[in-house]
Amino acid sequence: KAGVTQTPRYLIKTRGQQVTLSCSPISGHRSVSWYQQTPGQGLQFLFEYFSETQRNKGNFPGRFSGRQFSNSRSEMNVSTLELGDSALYLCASSLERPGGTEAFFGQGTRLTVV
Amino acid sequence: GENVEQHPSTLSVQEGDSAVIKCTYSDSASNYFPWYKQELGKRPQLIIDIRSNVGEKKDQRIAVTLNKTAKHFSLHITETQPEDSAVYFCAVSGGYNKLIFGAGTRLAVHP
Repeated sequence: KAGVTQTPRYLIKTRGQQVTLSCSPISGHRSVSWYQQTPGQGLQFLFEYFSETQRNKGNFPGRFSGRQFSNSRSEMNVSTLELGDSALYLCASSLERPGGTEAFFGQGTRLTVV
Repeated sequence: GENVEQHPSTLSVQEGDSAVIKCTYSDSASNYFPWYKQELGKRPQLIIDIRSNVGEKKDQRIAVTLNKTAKHFSLHITETQPEDSAVYFCAVSGGYNKLIFGAGTRLAVHP
């Protein structure tokens, strides 16, 4: 069974640009979550999608947005990039179980903003 | 708001010793508590999890204990080995599949 796939693996962007990251979940997983990982802030929740609907959103500015397609693949977009957006962006997919269940993480996309 | 505190931030042990990492959380509605291990340059991977209707769970050298009344849970690793060296994150469910992570513990196991 293929794992969670994120593309691209690495990105370098300039301040003010926008970026789109992609995530393909494990087959059969309809829930996709996104996390930002930085040395200073650890793993922070961005948002979670299930059946094309955003169910949860973290405390990030509106420049961070996402969506999910009917095949459960998800994208996240960051507009007007800032230096502080440099981070590892991790996507995770899960089955559905009341109260939560195991999140399977992708390898991540390392974004560098210069 | 939701908060998870994790201690210690770094832990250094000799091979064969035990390691204990502790987490406290604020939301009493949380009922799923996973632990993730992240090796350098790799993705976080689940090593053990526990639900609120259980006080302890064991998987070979790894165990997790949960005290829901006190809102804290702990990871116990016995007979540590060099390959246990990694960053360990506790997490708490925050509704649906949202996870709130602790800041992480860097465990170093010295041969």
